[in-house]
Amino acid sequence: DSGVTQTPKHLITATGQRVTLRCSPRSGDLSVYWYQQSLDQGLQFLIQYYNGEERAKGNILERFSAQQFPDLHSELNLSSLELGDSALYFCASSVRWENYEQYFGPGTRLTVT
Amino acid sequence: LAKTTQPISMDSYEGQEVNITCSHNNIATNDYITWYQQFPSQGPRFIIQGYKTKVTNEVASLFIPADRKSSTLSLPRVSLSDTAVYYCLVGDGTGTASKLTFGTGTRLQVTL
Repeated sequence: DSGVTQTPKHLITATGQRVTLRCSPRSGDLSVYWYQQSLDQGLQFLIQYYNGEERAKGNILERFSAQQFPDLHSELNLSSLELGDSALYFCASSVRWENYEQYFGPGTRLTVT
Repeated sequence: LAKTTQPISMDSYEGQEVNITCSHNNIATNDYITWYQQFPSQGPRFIIQGYKTKVTNEVASLFIPADRKSSTLSLPRVSLSDTAVYYCLVGDGTGTASKLTFGTGTRLQVTL
């Protein structure tokens, strides 16, 4: 158990819909990262937050957005969902905002039908 | 971003030492090298991290030559439970916006 929690574990929704994925980092970690892992794309970095502020952006679509709240939990919002958005979404956290050692959550499996 | 190249797959027998090499020719001065292990449908797990020379922990060793253009993850006496995908990650630790590039990973299959 990494100490990072993600909800929900599974999510099934239809194309065009909007969903919110939630992540709680390890106690004491200030930085949160979001990743997408699909069969044909591997593990893709989406976005990073540190203590409530956006620190880095990766391959995140404009239809996707995220935020980190004062209690440090983070949410990833996915809108206008397409079939290709079906994937595992992982959240990770670390103590510092440099990307040296991250702890990953169990992931949310999103299925878009 | 420093791009990494790893073998797609490797096979080993239980009890053997396994060495997985990662190439990162354009690694930047401030980059660290980090290795993760991932089992199917689980989040990656941190294994080891280093900057130069050799780092060892209770799980693995990491060897980094002086030019830092490659690194080798060494797993001593692997068991069946070490069957997983191993990712080499080179991170930009410049202190500003940081991005992470996971490579394609190396799928290690351990058999009896």
